[in-house]
Amino acid sequence: DIQMTQSPPSLSASVGDRVTITCQASQDIKKFLNWYQQKPGKAPEVLIFDASNLKTGVPSRFSGRVSGTTFTFTISSLQPEDLAKYYCQQYKILPYTFGQGTKLEIK
Amino acid sequence: QVQLQESGPGLVKPSQTLSLTCSVSGDSISRGSYFWNWIRQPAGKGLEWIGRIHTSGSTNYHPSLKSRVTVSVDKSKNQFSLKLNSVTAADTAIYYCARSEDSRGYMKAGFDYWGQGTLVTVSS
Repeated sequence: DIQMTQSPPSLSASVGDRVTITCQASQDIKKFLNWYQQKPGKAPEVLIFDASNLKTGVPSRFSGRVSGTTFTFTISSLQPEDLAKYYCQQYKILPYTFGQGTKLEIK
Repeated sequence: QVQLQESGPGLVKPSQTLSLTCSVSGDSISRGSYFWNWIRQPAGKGLEWIGRIHTSGSTNYHPSLKSRVTVSVDKSKNQFSLKLNSVTAADTAIYYCARSEDSRGYMKAGFDYWGQGTLVTVSS
């Protein structure tokens, strides 16, 4: 299985801050990575697919990029409603695998 | 708007079979080229993909669960189902059904529709 190492496990930031989450794949997965947001008590929702494509309707403060096997998810200006857990997920090779998640708290 | 809804027992005894159904509304489960997936999440933990069935009927399973899991579809009811045999406490989790679009064998734009999830507890 492809291992997805996501960091940090948790972070606390203030409204307006720039927030960055990283996901490292154990092997080359090209661009085959999605980012999800999971709010408390809810199912995950995809925000970014193919490493850097924003899903229609998702605010432009969310972005993603890839460099080699390292994927970066950024919130350019943190909003109160961004309180959630964020996951990366690779789909290059079955089984699909997820990172362990990053719990984002608002200071 | 596509909607998915899981249903099934919330409590299963150890060694028995966990059975869940995902009802799909807003579109035909037979239309297009989609994968219908099951994903689970132990309380407070991360996400684990369990398996999927394609519109064509082909299936794929997580290797660690392959010997115990079956995903099937009932096109007449617009539903797909999960069966997990010989369950233990380690199978206690929230179970989600989710759709993904097939693009030449790869998923397109992630798991785009999810059910709300259903908690299944394995306990005697």
